Amino acid sequence: AQKVTQAQTEISVVEKEDVTLDCVYETRDTTYYLFWYKQPPSGELVFLIRRNSFDEQNEISGRYSWNFQKSTSSFNFTITASQVVDSAVYFCALSEAGDYKLSFGAGTTVTVRA
Amino acid sequence: EPEVTQTPSHQVTQMGQEVILRCVPISNHLYFYWYRQILGQKVEFLVSFYNNEISEKSEIFDDQFSVERPDGSNFTLKIRSTKLEDSAMYFCATSRGLSGNTIYFGEGSWLTVV
Repeated sequence: AQKVTQAQTEISVVEKEDVTLDCVYETRDTTYYLFWYKQPPSGELVFLIRRNSFDEQNEISGRYSWNFQKSTSSFNFTITASQVVDSAVYFCALSEAGDYKLSFGAGTTVTVRA
Repeated sequence: EPEVTQTPSHQVTQMGQEVILRCVPISNHLYFYWYRQILGQKVEFLVSFYNNEISEKSEIFDDQFSVERPDGSNFTLKIRSTKLEDSAMYFCATSRGLSGNTIYFGEGSWLTVV
């Protein structure tokens, strides 16, 4: 069963526009962890954020912000005032308590045009 | 910031040959992982390794694959009798602890089987 769904395959924006990436997850555990990773064209996976299921506070880090809503099982990611360097594939991932692995979504390709 | 280091960055191999991918984990990390990403697809979990043994493996990780940490530093993934469909980016990853701990990824080893 698909545990993490990223419904948006590709998003294209013009520089300085805001872009929001959707992530919907599925789990029966009450304790779980959510992550976002960035994969730039060079291919590496860069950790962006980790959020546990007991902390629903939204978080802001520079131009990045995350909106965690347990009621809708969503953990959305917004890039404010996008820049060309934000062009990448962004993956949402889930780890359940006691589990060793991350379950990744299919990823959303973000293209920021100058 | 400590990094997970992978070698080689790219390897081309003939079908049927054996390949060994190497990883140097972050020094105080105890859990090690291999993930795979076929071109254009999601990142998939292969195996996790803790205390010198496999702790979990996916259906993909069959008898063709093996992992070990022979010298206490390098963590290796061996792929025997490579097939065309083994062509993918292979990511090594490490974490300090179990679920909830951030998993840090290396830059990946791109394997091309011809």
